[in-house]
Amino acid sequence: GESVGLHLPTLSVQEGDNSIINCAYSNSASDYFIWYKQESGKGPQFIIDIRSNMDKRQGQRVTVLLNKTVKHLSLQIAATQPGDSAVYFCAENRSTGFQKLVFGTGTRLLVSP
Amino acid sequence: DTAVSQTPKYLVTQMGNDKSIKCEQNLGHDTMYWYKQDSKKFLKIMFSYNNKELIINETVPNRFSPKSPDKAHLNLHINSLELGDSAVYFCASSQGQGYDYGYTFGSGTRLTVV
Repeated sequence: GESVGLHLPTLSVQEGDNSIINCAYSNSASDYFIWYKQESGKGPQFIIDIRSNMDKRQGQRVTVLLNKTVKHLSLQIAATQPGDSAVYFCAENRSTGFQKLVFGTGTRLLVSP
Repeated sequence: DTAVSQTPKYLVTQMGNDKSIKCEQNLGHDTMYWYKQDSKKFLKIMFSYNNKELIINETVPNRFSPKSPDKAHLNLHINSLELGDSAVYFCASSQGQGYDYGYTFGSGTRLTVV
């Protein structure tokens, strides 16, 4: 079936800690994955993406890891800041036929000062 | 300039009414989408248009009718609104089909049906 799920619905960390948000996906045909951040009252905002032919990609303070063997995706945020508090979604891009994004259920990240 | 703009931001209406949500993108993208986000924050695609042509319709009730007058606009009309239609509706656009055609989302329209 179609599902991209997350292990933890809420993650609470202290400012300065590293955060890891996990995601499991079910469709092995998905070829491209994206992490989004959604702040209250706003739309999803692109953070970082990764193609299925890669296993790691780094951005500014963020790293995405992809393990296709176990269909697992993770987002690592270094030195988490209060401004990182938001709901984070993984999404898989399916290009069979027409492209569409299938979203996971979301993880709320709470950063305490 | 807002890349993907939706109006209105909030919409409160009674059951049985008909309402529309408008979306415009100034990114020059070819493809536009409507997503619905429920109270549990789950985001699900509803429709997709590519160059004004409907390409994805995810088993949405036919009370929902999207319309794309040109590739920069995608509107959503909802007939006979029901309580279960209450949600946040997001418009998005992307350059086309394939990798790295990053999706850009609007800020959402919160629809409340009473």
